[in-house]
Amino acid sequence: DTGVSQDPRHKITKRGQNVTFRCDPISEHNRLYWYRQTLGQGPEFLTYFQNEAQLEKSRLLSDRFSAERPKGSFSTLEIQRTEQGDSAMYLCASSLTDSRGAEAFFGQGTRLTVV
Amino acid sequence: AQSVTQLGSHVSVSEGALVLLRCNYSSSVPPYLFWYVQYPNQGLQLLLKYTSAATLVKGINGFEAEFKKSETSFHLTKPSAHMSDAAEYFCAVRAGGNEKLTFGTGTRLTIIP
Repeated sequence: DTGVSQDPRHKITKRGQNVTFRCDPISEHNRLYWYRQTLGQGPEFLTYFQNEAQLEKSRLLSDRFSAERPKGSFSTLEIQRTEQGDSAMYLCASSLTDSRGAEAFFGQGTRLTVV
Repeated sequence: AQSVTQLGSHVSVSEGALVLLRCNYSSSVPPYLFWYVQYPNQGLQLLLKYTSAATLVKGINGFEAEFKKSETSFHLTKPSAHMSDAAEYFCAVRAGGNEKLTFGTGTRLTIIP
């Protein structure tokens, strides 16, 4: 297994267009997270899944954002009607359920630029 | 609620000198604490983590961190800086059954030849 994979690595889109990102977690990991990172900031939590169930969503996740994880494997994050403020790095991470504080493994991210 | 404060958004040290990156946390319950490193246009790589076992935690690339409950700190150190250590470092906390990581704003480490 080569770790968490994200596609595409870079996306440039015009304001108002829809975009979709994909994340393939480490195969045995049941938890999957999405974070957003803007320039000069730390990653901010967006949402997470345990298997196929979306268990928590941040208030940062407006109605234009939707995430899915069908069958508890890969996940997609869709942004509708993109705005310039959506420009950021979108990071996916996965982990195993572990009561001792299992670490999250991050992908290389998808950098979105809205023009 | 959980939060992390990283003191110093930029730190510069000479090659071979001690690296000290500061992190203070806030949590109402015993936390799990993490340090991640990020190279330009890359994702985050775990350096080390504290999970309530030993208070001195050793990580990859010669880094270590000490959990001090009385000071609510988890500072990252490395005895001798190397040019390859130049990167952005993030401290993160997870606590109280909260599954999300809360990150600090990061510290950019520059190594002076």
